[in-house]
Amino acid sequence: AQSVAQPEDQVNVAEGNPLTVKCTYSVSGNPYLFWYVQYPNRGLQFLLKYITGDNLVKGSYGFEAEFNKSQTSFHLKKPSALVSDSALYFCAVRALREGSYIPTFGRGTSLIVHP
Amino acid sequence: DAGVIQSPRHEVTEMGQEVTLRCKPISGHNSLFWYRQTMMRGLELLIYFNNNVPIDDSGMPEDRFSAKMPNASFSTLKIQPSEPRDSAVYFCASTLRGTTNEKLFFGSGTQLSVL
Repeated sequence: AQSVAQPEDQVNVAEGNPLTVKCTYSVSGNPYLFWYVQYPNRGLQFLLKYITGDNLVKGSYGFEAEFNKSQTSFHLKKPSALVSDSALYFCAVRALREGSYIPTFGRGTSLIVHP
Repeated sequence: DAGVIQSPRHEVTEMGQEVTLRCKPISGHNSLFWYRQTMMRGLELLIYFNNNVPIDDSGMPEDRFSAKMPNASFSTLKIQPSEPRDSAVYFCASTLRGTTNEKLFFGSGTQLSVL
């Protein structure tokens, strides 16, 4: 079985400061990892993904995520937060193997960026 | 492309009534997912179609829920009879499975309130 844990329900950060939203995963074999963002009254939007290669993945809106195999983590980061980054962030994982096509989502982390 | 289109955006109904939610996936996508989002349980996968065929419906809560995909451009999720505990936001998502660019595209959701 595959699972995702987002240990923080909410993250608060001041505008201009770096932000980190944490994610750990459990999956059989190699993982296919995603981050999605949900703005109020909208569906989830894709931010970035990791399959293989460089452990630091860059995505939309200046976000990046670092894959750490030994810690089974895929934390989302941004060097300088904007108020407009305030949203709900979801981490997702699926096994990178034939026959496994359904991603499992975490509970989501609410990011609040204060002016 | 207009993206994944869901209708209606909002649905208010009385307990016992039939509810039908509709989804038009992105043209060319071969996989479609129905999710339900609540504060208590987060984002739950209800059912997954591949090439219009239901592959995994283990997330459908009970027999009151049914989903169909009569063709590649249309899917419905039906609740009959509806109950207050079905109140949630229902999302449809589609993707082109089997490519390295695989990611889910979500619709804006249907906010369902059962009174």
